[in-house]
Amino acid sequence: GESVGLHLPTLSVQEGDNSIINCAYSNSASDYFIWYKQESGKGPQFIIDIRSNMDKRQGQRVTVLLNKTVKHLSLQIAATQPGDSAVYFCAETLSGNTPLVFGKGTRLSVIA
Amino acid sequence: DAGITQSPRHKVTETGTPVTLRCHQTENHRYMYWYRQDPGHGLRLIHYSYGVKDTDKGEVSDGYSVSRSKTEDFLLTLESATSSQTSVYFCAISESKLKLYFGSGTQLSVL
Repeated sequence: GESVGLHLPTLSVQEGDNSIINCAYSNSASDYFIWYKQESGKGPQFIIDIRSNMDKRQGQRVTVLLNKTVKHLSLQIAATQPGDSAVYFCAETLSGNTPLVFGKGTRLSVIA
Repeated sequence: DAGITQSPRHKVTETGTPVTLRCHQTENHRYMYWYRQDPGHGLRLIHYSYGVKDTDKGEVSDGYSVSRSKTEDFLLTLESATSSQTSVYFCAISESKLKLYFGSGTQLSVL
């Protein structure tokens, strides 16, 4: 799992600041989107999801924003903590009728 | 990891040998998936299953086969391993085909 992080775009954020991770999705027909977090040596973990009939959804310290016009998804993490350091993936599907398609991921590095 | 066990966690094998990876779930979820993860490619779907004995190919299925004889077990077989199949393999399960839960992964090295 250590090699996951190679060749990925990296976002470095100061501890306590807010983080914004962006994702451009490919299929304009996709109607369900999901964010995963992957820590080193572990499998991806679900963070938050959103359906296409919504523009915004909030969870605990995380917010997902969906802009269907430009096929863009973002994950905002408030008050970023060292434990947030990981690789973050977005994924999309058309009602589950097509398997989830994952983006290539962004590495978030939190500077203490 | 949501009641998912992958075995083995690590394996080193030689080119040309058969390899079987196992995924076992205790959640009774209908859907099961095998992904591989490689630098620069992210997670790519190999095969998936929507029920016992019902499977379908994913994006990168060549060189792989699967079997699901019980709800809880999904096996991935590399009939004759090649160096290009060196990767980290993840099993995932889902009740809805939407939200997937992933196992801890198997690191496979083919020498």
